[in-house]
Amino acid sequence: SQQGEEDPQALSIQEGENATMNCSYKTSINNLQWYRQNSGRGLVHLILIRSNEREKHSGRLRVTLDTSKKSSSLLITASRAADTASYFCATLKSSGSARQLTFGSGTQLTVLP
Amino acid sequence: GAGVSQSPRYKVAKRGQDVALRCDPISGHVSLFWYQQALGQGPEFLTYFQNEAQLDKSGLPSDRFFAERPEGSVSTLKIQRTQQEDSAVYLCASSLARSSTMSYEQYFGPGTRLTVT
Repeated sequence: SQQGEEDPQALSIQEGENATMNCSYKTSINNLQWYRQNSGRGLVHLILIRSNEREKHSGRLRVTLDTSKKSSSLLITASRAADTASYFCATLKSSGSARQLTFGSGTQLTVLP
Repeated sequence: GAGVSQSPRYKVAKRGQDVALRCDPISGHVSLFWYQQALGQGPEFLTYFQNEAQLDKSGLPSDRFFAERPEGSVSTLKIQRTQQEDSAVYLCASSLARSSTMSYEQYFGPGTRLTVT
């Protein structure tokens, strides 16, 4: 079953605007990762934030993590039409030997030119 | 090749048929994962290998699903007696697994879309 929920399920914005997607999860984590998936393609890793980090930047991406609320957000600034894709958060558990990622249900982002 | 490759990209099977899906991970990657992605959902974990050892198969939905990685490189996911509910995209991912690292970035292949009719 999925780890948690992503919000919103779908988001449509104009090119140049910022897009914010949220992710909630249920268990204690080692790290949280965001992936992008274009239609019919595999997932591409965007950014990883560790459980002891609160904010991380990579180019036009900004990720925040609030472990007390078990939530994360992904901000894409100055969006482009090429950013149109599904975005998934994924968590790695902090306990046990599990190495698999647990994904959210995703946000479908559409950036209109 | 630089990335994870999977074959076939598309597979149509009649209900009851057996299928085999192949994954070629990035050279040198120790860990290999299989995920199942239903339409409109995020991927769900199926099984995990470290080298040739299958360390976790807790996500396999039934005993009709079987995975192997005999030489610690290429992996095959086999589904016996396919059912309609097996229709999904099957994603393979690999990663450099160093036990001391906290980072587990996974590199995904393009997936195999399985349709069971």
